[in-house]
Parts: sequence; C-alpha cells; structure tokens
Amino acid sequence: NAGVTQTPKFQVLKTGQSMTLQCAQDMNHNSMYWYRQDPGMGLRLIHYSVGAGITDQGEVPNGYNVSRLNKREFSLRLESAAPSQTSVYFCASSGGAWTQYFGPGTRLLVL
Amino acid sequence: DQQVKQNSPSLSVQEGRISILNCDYTNSMFDYFLWYKKYPAEGPTFLISISSIKDKNEDGRFTVFLNKSAKHLSLHIVPSQPGDSAVYFCAVRQGGSEKLVFGKGTKLTVNP
Repeated sequence: NAGVTQTPKFQVLKTGQSMTLQCAQDMNHNSMYWYRQDPGMGLRLIHYSVGAGITDQGEVPNGYNVSRLNKREFSLRLESAAPSQTSVYFCASSGGAWTQYFGPGTRLLVL
Repeated sequence: DQQVKQNSPSLSVQEGRISILNCDYTNSMFDYFLWYKKYPAEGPTFLISISSIKDKNEDGRFTVFLNKSAKHLSLHIVPSQPGDSAVYFCAVRQGGSEKLVFGKGTKLTVNP
C-alpha cells in the first residue's frame, strides 16, 4: 500500500516548455488535489477533483490544467512553463472524512 | 484576504517543555479543523483533527483545542521532543466543501 505517489521527484524546465506531473493513489479515494508550496505562502490549492472526469479550480489555477481519467490518477499539466511556476507541487487524496493524505512532492525549477 | 492565519512563523522550545502552536480563522462556517506536520523534502502528514462540535481532542502527546467564540485553534505538544521539529500547518474545512484551506505554517524547533 503505497498511499499517494508522485512522479517525477524533481524536474528542471526552460521557460515555455511543457510537462505533466503525475499522481496516483491506491486508497480508493474519490477526491484528489494539487497544491503548490512556496516559501512563506503555505499550501495553495491549484485544482481538485471529486471523481473521474470531474475537476474544479482552486485558489491559483492559472497556467495549469488537470486531468482525472480514472479514480486512481490525477495529472497536472503545465502547457508553457514560466519562472513563477517554480515551486514544490504536492498531490493529495481524500476518502470523504475530510482528512487529506499527501504525496512526497515534485520539485520544479523553471529557468 | 487570509481566512486562516498562523501568526508565528517560527517557535523554539526546549526538549521536554510544552509547545503551543496557534491558528486563527475568520469564517464561522468552518466545521472541521486539522493539523499537519511537514519535514523538509517530504509531503505533509496528518497529525490530528477536531470537528466544530468538540472543543478538545487528544492523541498521545498531541492535543488540539478549539475556541469557536474566538475563532482560535491551538495545538499543544507535551512533552516536546527533538523529532517534533518540523513545520506545522493548520487547515480548515467549510461545511459542504471538498476543499481545505491551509495556514502559512509555523516552524517548530525543539532544542535538546
């Protein structure tokens, strides 16, 4: 039982490049979330999903797209990366008891 | 406008003493409150939670207190241990929402 897994662990992009961050959970949770963490800013919600094919915006959605093709996986796509998107990205899932369980994070550096 | 405020960016305590981390919120519609602990280069891990129908919840060395009239949440760690050194985030849920709102975190350092 791995919980929430994220790939890659670390990525360096050049401005304008695109990439997809992958997240998977094996807890059969309905809801999944993408956050970014920046120094002094806490965790800010980017997008979230309450089920396959259902997504909604969070606090800071601009520049990001998400996809939830099935219950297990939730991906975050940066179509044209910008230096302002340098951050640590966390995926989380929740099974309805309001407690969210987090993955280990992806460190993204955009040059 | 911040809905959840952790006004102390950092806190330093001696091993064996009590650590008290505080969190203030603005919306009386929040009905579920959580604390997460985060070590460097790891994801946040759930620590303890409390619903709005209670005012105290204990789990071992960790106790969360909720003062609804003051819109104030606190986490007490007794006794504090060096392994408790981490960043602590409070998080709140508004009734009917699937989302949590997080504070900016307090970095706790427990000195041996």
